[in-house]
Amino acid sequence: QSVLTQPPSVSGAPGQRVTISCTGSNSNIGAGYNVHWYQQFPGTAPKLLIYDNNNRPSGVPDRFSGSKSGTSASLVITGLQGEDEADYYCQSYDTGLTASDYVFGTGTKVTVL
Amino acid sequence: EVQLVESGGGLIQPGGSLRLSCSASGFSVSDKYMSWVRQAPGKGLEWVSGTYTGGSTYYANSVRGRFTISRDNSKNTVDLQMNSLRADDTAVYYCARFATHRRSPFDIWGQGTMVTVSS
Repeated sequence: QSVLTQPPSVSGAPGQRVTISCTGSNSNIGAGYNVHWYQQFPGTAPKLLIYDNNNRPSGVPDRFSGSKSGTSASLVITGLQGEDEADYYCQSYDTGLTASDYVFGTGTKVTVL
Repeated sequence: EVQLVESGGGLIQPGGSLRLSCSASGFSVSDKYMSWVRQAPGKGLEWVSGTYTGGSTYYANSVRGRFTISRDNSKNTVDLQMNSLRADDTAVYYCARFATHRRSPFDIWGQGTMVTVSS
């Protein structure tokens, strides 16, 4: 049911840079709505990581960054660390007739090699 | 401390009803847009319902007509009444707060409460 598509998994060695894509459509990201990113560890609630495309809440390390272009968005982790191993979800607003108001990405599992 | 705590989950038979409650502390739910988001076992996040300041309520297509969201400002709680439950409603249900307006991110999440629909 997710209308935002993410790669199921990405991996990288410590210190490397990894990028997670989030592909939407003209009824959500492409319509100009902001993209937010969440980090989730197993058995815990999601945590806001990036808001309004490229802003970090207080306390989020600056190795996390976000961007948006057209109908897609990206989350970049530079200087990957072991503690970054988690699931990541993008989220936006949608005005499509068949979608819910708020849509999440399919989720990406980040593995630190 | 700003916090959300959910309660009310459990095992329920298909067709049954369950009421979840989200208790807020550190802020007033009357001042905030609030939502419920669920996550089926091993699956991704799915927005379920929202209630906005002013009383408007919104639902995902998958639960419209079966679920009802409400808030009790005097108790500082947001509830989710779930009727005609189906197996595919099985999930962890999270209460989440919108940071500011209805298109802002979910900045505060509860720990979640598990709902299992099974005979």
